[in-house]
Amino acid sequence: DAGVTQSPTHLIKTRGQQVTLRCSPKSGHDTVSWYQQALGQGPQFIFQYYEEEERQRGNFPDRFSGHQFPNYSSELNVNALLLGDSALYLCASSLAAGFLDEQYFGPGTRLTVT
Amino acid sequence: AQSVAQPEDQVNVAEGNPLTVKCTYSVSGNPYLFWYVQYPNRGLQFLLKYITGDNLVKGSYGFEAEFNKSQTSFHLKKPSALVSDSALYFCAVRDRGSGNTGKLIFGQGTTLQVKP
Repeated sequence: DAGVTQSPTHLIKTRGQQVTLRCSPKSGHDTVSWYQQALGQGPQFIFQYYEEEERQRGNFPDRFSGHQFPNYSSELNVNALLLGDSALYLCASSLAAGFLDEQYFGPGTRLTVT
Repeated sequence: AQSVAQPEDQVNVAEGNPLTVKCTYSVSGNPYLFWYVQYPNRGLQFLLKYITGDNLVKGSYGFEAEFNKSQTSFHLKKPSALVSDSALYFCAVRDRGSGNTGKLIFGQGTTLQVKP
């Protein structure tokens, strides 16, 4: 049973550039959440996708956007990168019907903005 | 606003000794609490959760957590620590204001160092 996968593993970008991160949820899951984990901090919720729509959004600017595909995989896009966007980006999957269930996290994508 | 706090940045314990990683929460209504562990260069792994029922919750790898409503705490415990338990531990609460989205609010994390 494949768990949550993310690509790429590492990424280095320059300020002002745009980046796309990808996530495939655990088999059978239909909901994908994205979190940003800055160095030395706990993960912060960016947004969640269900049925190809953004269901909830955290306190992140519009430079952060996402998409969910019919196969439930998801992308996180960040435009006009800032140095402060350097972080580990985590994808988590779950079942929409399993509100009280745990979320399953992928290994993350380490984004470095120079 | 709902939140969790992990008052210790680091906990040091000798192998074989009991360990406790502390977590306190602030929520309106009944809390849904989780513990996750993160190893270097890895994502978060689920350890255990408290939804309702018995205040002592048993989880993976021999970990357990004690829910204390009066002290608004959810401390993670293990009777006998292993060197391999050394990792970063996160306490989290399900955001009750998010409807059914399951959004998690995480603490800052506690580094557990188990020495041989």
